[in-house]
Amino acid sequence: AQKITQTQPGMFVQEKEAVTLDCTYDTSDQSYGLFWYKQPSSGEMIFLIYQGSYDEQNATEGRYSLNFQKARKSANLVISASQLGDSAMYFCAMRASSGGSYIPTFGRGTSLIVHP
Amino acid sequence: EADIYQTPRYLVIGTGKKITLECSQTMGHDKMYWYQQDPGMELHLIHYSYGVNSTEKGDLSSESTVSRIRTEHFPLTLESARPSHTSQYLCASSGRQGAGDTQYFGPGTRLTVL
Repeated sequence: AQKITQTQPGMFVQEKEAVTLDCTYDTSDQSYGLFWYKQPSSGEMIFLIYQGSYDEQNATEGRYSLNFQKARKSANLVISASQLGDSAMYFCAMRASSGGSYIPTFGRGTSLIVHP
Repeated sequence: EADIYQTPRYLVIGTGKKITLECSQTMGHDKMYWYQQDPGMELHLIHYSYGVNSTEKGDLSSESTVSRIRTEHFPLTLESARPSHTSQYLCASSGRQGAGDTQYFGPGTRLTVL
């Protein structure tokens, strides 16, 4: 069975500082994908970044980077130079083969508040 | 940018009414999903589809039903709404194979059953 753990229910960061949101995962599959989504108070889920289990380099998308440590089974999201608009819920997710179905698994989320 | 739409965005309805939440996507994705989410909480997969005429139940037991008659359309129906159905419902789609298959989400429908 696949599992995603986000241990930080809430995080606070000063504007313009960097912040790391933690995500650990558990799977016995060799091929899997890791995703981060942002959910503002308006409710939509916005895809941020993807990391494949065979990717040797950490994924980056603008101010977002994914710190992928395969041996530790962690996939932390790093947001550089935080902005007020980054205040939102952040969800880590994984796709791994479960009988070949690759049904995604989501964590419980981390609430990030960026203050001026 | 993902092109996936949900209507209505907000719905307040009385107990016992039949409702259908609409979801459509213009990306030609074969896979579509419905999630239920209470405010600030995790997502629960309630239904998914791999393509036309394919529907499966997700992890969370739900009294809703879905259909997939056309690739672009994946409506969710509650035959008799109850206050316990009050929640946000998110529709998503994806179009690749394997572990790198990214889901794209619609804006959600916030349902309140009185």
